[in-house]
Amino acid sequence: GENVEQHPSTLSVQEGDSAVIKCTYSDSASNYFPWYKQELGKGPQLIIDIRSNVGEKKDQRIAVTLNKTAKHFSLHITETQPEDSAVYFCAASSGGYQKVTFGTGTKLQVIP
Amino acid sequence: ETGVTQTPRHLVMGMTNKKSLKCEQHLGHNAMYWYKQSAKKPLELMFVYSLEERVENNSVPSRFSPECPNSSHLFLHLHTLQPEDSALYLCASSQDWTARFDEQYFGPGTRLTVT
Repeated sequence: GENVEQHPSTLSVQEGDSAVIKCTYSDSASNYFPWYKQELGKGPQLIIDIRSNVGEKKDQRIAVTLNKTAKHFSLHITETQPEDSAVYFCAASSGGYQKVTFGTGTKLQVIP
Repeated sequence: ETGVTQTPRHLVMGMTNKKSLKCEQHLGHNAMYWYKQSAKKPLELMFVYSLEERVENNSVPSRFSPECPNSSHLFLHLHTLQPEDSALYLCASSQDWTARFDEQYFGPGTRLTVT
């Protein structure tokens, strides 16, 4: 089955700096890669996603890149702000709900 | 209320107790899900319901019993749990269970502690 590894498990950055979270996957059939943000006391919220026919996608300060050959994808947050502090999860899916595997999460702390 | 709500937000129960978790979605979705979130582990899918019919039981122990009386409500009945069942239990909904895995809306979760 699919195996998704996520690094780092914790990340601290100064406000205004960039943050990068990386995930690798094992199943070449995976074709959809969402990223979730989970704030304290809340459920995960989809923040950005990318499909295998695209190499990069950007939404304001957030971007995701995908390297299908190397089977890795990354989340990039620029100009970080304290409200970006949360746990971020990556996931890889090759179909419906039954074919999705989540990463173990990265706790991001943005220091004012 | 909007979105996906869950009650209670926190629950402490003994191993011999019986309790229930409740989830309600106000999005008009047809599919609802239960997930288990344990520390330092990936999110685990437990159950999936589509239009009140269970379509997935992901090898979950029988001490967890789901119930979906209608497409807006989902329950998780708990009995004789173990300490290792302590976790955050998340409910989610989506428009269609057969859809690609995207646009799942999560509730805030119930933090369960089994003593």
